Amino acid sequence: NAGVTQTPKFRILKIGQSMTLQCAQDMNHNYMYWYRQDPGMGLKLIYYSVGAGITDKGEVPNGYNVSRSTTEDFPLRLELAAPSQTSVYFCASSQTGGTYNEQFFGPGTRLTVL
Amino acid sequence: GENVEQHPSTLSVQEGDSAVIKCTYSDSASNYFPWYKQELGKRPQLIIDIRSNVGEKKDQRIAVTLNKTAKHFSLHITETQPEDSAVYFCAALLWGYSTLTFGKGTMLLVSP
Repeated sequence: NAGVTQTPKFRILKIGQSMTLQCAQDMNHNYMYWYRQDPGMGLKLIYYSVGAGITDKGEVPNGYNVSRSTTEDFPLRLELAAPSQTSVYFCASSQTGGTYNEQFFGPGTRLTVL
Repeated sequence: GENVEQHPSTLSVQEGDSAVIKCTYSDSASNYFPWYKQELGKRPQLIIDIRSNVGEKKDQRIAVTLNKTAKHFSLHITETQPEDSAVYFCAALLWGYSTLTFGKGTMLLVSP
């Protein structure tokens, strides 16, 4: 199993550009999450999904959108990139939100907006 | 919602010493408390977790204790080694919710 994979690993955007961060998992997990981690800071939840077709906002959703058309994929869309979106983005998945709660993280995408 | 406070933000110890990181949570309905380790440039990984019906859990050199009355939980690392150097995050899961609330992290530095 590859676990949770993310592409790209690095990206530089200009202000106003858009992009999609890809996330996929092969563990058949229902729950998937997107976090951002600013330098020296903790993990802030952007969006999450409890299953295909179901998404919900986290703590910092502004400027982002998500979709979940399959169990495996959970892409994060940035529209009109701003310098404040410079961060490391982690995707994670877990089997359920109940008994089995370990979140498995992807390797991260380092995004710089100039 | 839940709020998790984590202290200290940085912790420096000598190899072989013990390290303790403390977290407090705000909602007594939280029932699951994991700890994640993030090495420099790497992804966070679960190292130990505890559920609200347990007071202590140990796994080799690491242990977690939970005080539900005081609403705090702690990570204990004994006989620290340089490879323990990393950022450690605590988190709490509020019963009935699907998302973890993370603390801001503690950078642990273990000097040889």
